[in-house]
Amino acid sequence: EAGVTQSPTHLIKTRGQQATLRCSPISGHTSVYWYQQALGLGLQFLLWYDEGEERNRGNFPPRFSGRQFPNYSSELNVNALELEDSALYLCASSLGQGLGQPQHFGDGTRLSIL
Amino acid sequence: AQKITQTQPGMFVQEKEAVTLDCTYDTSDPSYGLFWYKQPSSGEMIFLIYQGSYDQQNATEGRYSLNFQKARKSANLVISASQLGDSAMYFCAMREGPNQAGTALIFGKGTTLSVSS
Repeated sequence: EAGVTQSPTHLIKTRGQQATLRCSPISGHTSVYWYQQALGLGLQFLLWYDEGEERNRGNFPPRFSGRQFPNYSSELNVNALELEDSALYLCASSLGQGLGQPQHFGDGTRLSIL
Repeated sequence: AQKITQTQPGMFVQEKEAVTLDCTYDTSDPSYGLFWYKQPSSGEMIFLIYQGSYDQQNATEGRYSLNFQKARKSANLVISASQLGDSAMYFCAMREGPNQAGTALIFGKGTTLSVSS
């Protein structure tokens, strides 16, 4: 069974540009989560999509947005990039909404803002 | 206040020894789940073990076990017989529910484990 896949692996942008990150969940998983792991800040929740809808978002500005496609893959878009957006962006998927359902993570996209 | 606290920034252990990584949590929800993840230097997050708040027994998965002390709100990860490949960052995480089922995991800041031969 293929795991969560993310692309690209690395992305280099400059301030003010826009970045698009992609995620394919494990087959059969309908929920997709996005997390930001910035240096020294740990993992912080960004967005949760389920069945094509945004269900919840973390404490991030609106320039962080995304969507989920009918095949449950997802995109994270970051507009007007700032230096502090440099981070590892991790996507996770889960099977169902049970409390004990683990989230399975991809390898991440490392976004660097110059 | 932090919901998940991992007080050990770094831990060092010799191969074949056991090691305990500490995690305390804070929630007023009677129903919650606790998770441990491993993040090697390559970046991927690997799910290790889960403990539910109503589970009577401590969770175990191979060399991993969770020392769950509900009254103290602690969920320490015990790795037995450490291996060189265990060197990584370890994160404790919590999900509150059931009204918030499906919401995000709340992560601690992690503990770096270094295993030496």
